[in-house]
Amino acid sequence: DAKTTQPPSMDCAEGRAANLPCNHSTISGNEYVYWYRQIHSQGPQYIIHGLKNNETNEMASLIITEDRKSSTLILPHATLRDTAVYYCIVISGGTSYGKLTFGQGTILTVHP
Amino acid sequence: KAGVTQTPRYLIKTRGQQVTLSCSPISGHRSVSWYQQTPGQGLQFLFEYFSETQRNKGNFPGRFSGRQFSNSRSEMNVSTLELGDSALYLCASRPQGITEAFFGQGTRLTVV
Repeated sequence: DAKTTQPPSMDCAEGRAANLPCNHSTISGNEYVYWYRQIHSQGPQYIIHGLKNNETNEMASLIITEDRKSSTLILPHATLRDTAVYYCIVISGGTSYGKLTFGQGTILTVHP
Repeated sequence: KAGVTQTPRYLIKTRGQQVTLSCSPISGHRSVSWYQQTPGQGLQFLFEYFSETQRNKGNFPGRFSGRQFSNSRSEMNVSTLELGDSALYLCASRPQGITEAFFGQGTRLTVV
């Protein structure tokens, strides 16, 4: 699975959009981009995933660049409860879904 | 629907002892994965079981082992505990055909 690079930390004001970038320049054509988050002392939580098209669900939006070398997770209206570590993971599919490779992630702090 | 249940939530053991942690996946989920989380190494994959068979294995010593029962419940065992085994151990389950993993709250193991 391709390696990902994320900024170690980011800040966001409550009510504003939080845009979390992820670089995955070595991603191959059949690899998906997944986002999970981990709120302090809890297990990680799935947020969203995509292959090449932009995706949106009730939690977030995922924007993947046309060359697929980077992506951005967007939390449209961040709340204090969105303060967490956000992980961007590239998965090649098949049995890899059961073997997630977490990097250091981005610590997002949402301020009042 | 009940989530992934891990027991016990907290555990204190002495160096040299062994420990068994339990994970009950969400009903109907056949894949169970285990992860270790420490401040220094982050979240690291231990192993994955599917239909009672180990399907993936991470880079951990043989002191770490696991198994899965016919009802999909899983246990992991760590023998000859070392201080460095102190960590949050997380279990995740996934239904067949679905790519998102659902994590439990974890078991916090402290080795003294």
